[in-house]
Amino acid sequence: DAGVTQSPTHLIKTRGQQVTLRCSPKSGHDTVSWYQQALGQGPQFIFQYYEEEERQRGNFPDRFSGHQYPNYSSELNVNALLLGDSALYLCASSLGGANTGELFFGEGSRLTVL
Amino acid sequence: GEDVEQSLFLSVREGDSSVINCTYTDSSSTYLYWYKQEPGAGLQLLTYIFSNMDMKQDQRLTVLLNKKDKHLSLRIADTQTGDSAIYFCAPGTGGFKTIFGAGTRLFVKA
Repeated sequence: DAGVTQSPTHLIKTRGQQVTLRCSPKSGHDTVSWYQQALGQGPQFIFQYYEEEERQRGNFPDRFSGHQYPNYSSELNVNALLLGDSALYLCASSLGGANTGELFFGEGSRLTVL
Repeated sequence: GEDVEQSLFLSVREGDSSVINCTYTDSSSTYLYWYKQEPGAGLQLLTYIFSNMDMKQDQRLTVLLNKKDKHLSLRIADTQTGDSAIYFCAPGTGGFKTIFGAGTRLFVKA
């Protein structure tokens, strides 16, 4: 049973560029959450997708957008990259509906903005 | 707003108990989670407590919750070198948004 997979694992971009990160949830999971983890910090909640809709959003600007496909996989898009966007981007999947809310994390995509 | 605070570092000797403390502000949290992150690996759920409980024991782990003071603690008994990792306190609402603290780096000395 494959867990949460993310791609790419590492990437380097320059300021002003755009990036797309991808996530496949754990088998059977229908909810995907995205987090940004800066070096030495805890994960910061970006948003959560459920039934192809953004269900919850953290304090991130509109430059951060996402999408969820019918197969529950998800993308995170970041436009107009800033140096401060350099971080590890974590995808976590879970079951929608009322449950314990356990998040299963991928190993992340490390983005470096130069 | 939502905020989670935890001490950044804890150092213990192998075989001792470790206690990691956390305070949070969101009173609507229904589940209080502890996640563990080992170097180069993703986060994994360690344990959790439901907000209407005040204690949960799971093998070497004991979670204490003081809901009135919004204080959560994780005790690891007989700490081993393999327990060296970053531990995140994470209040959540059971399937919706989960907020993470900055993490406590546990160092276990042999």
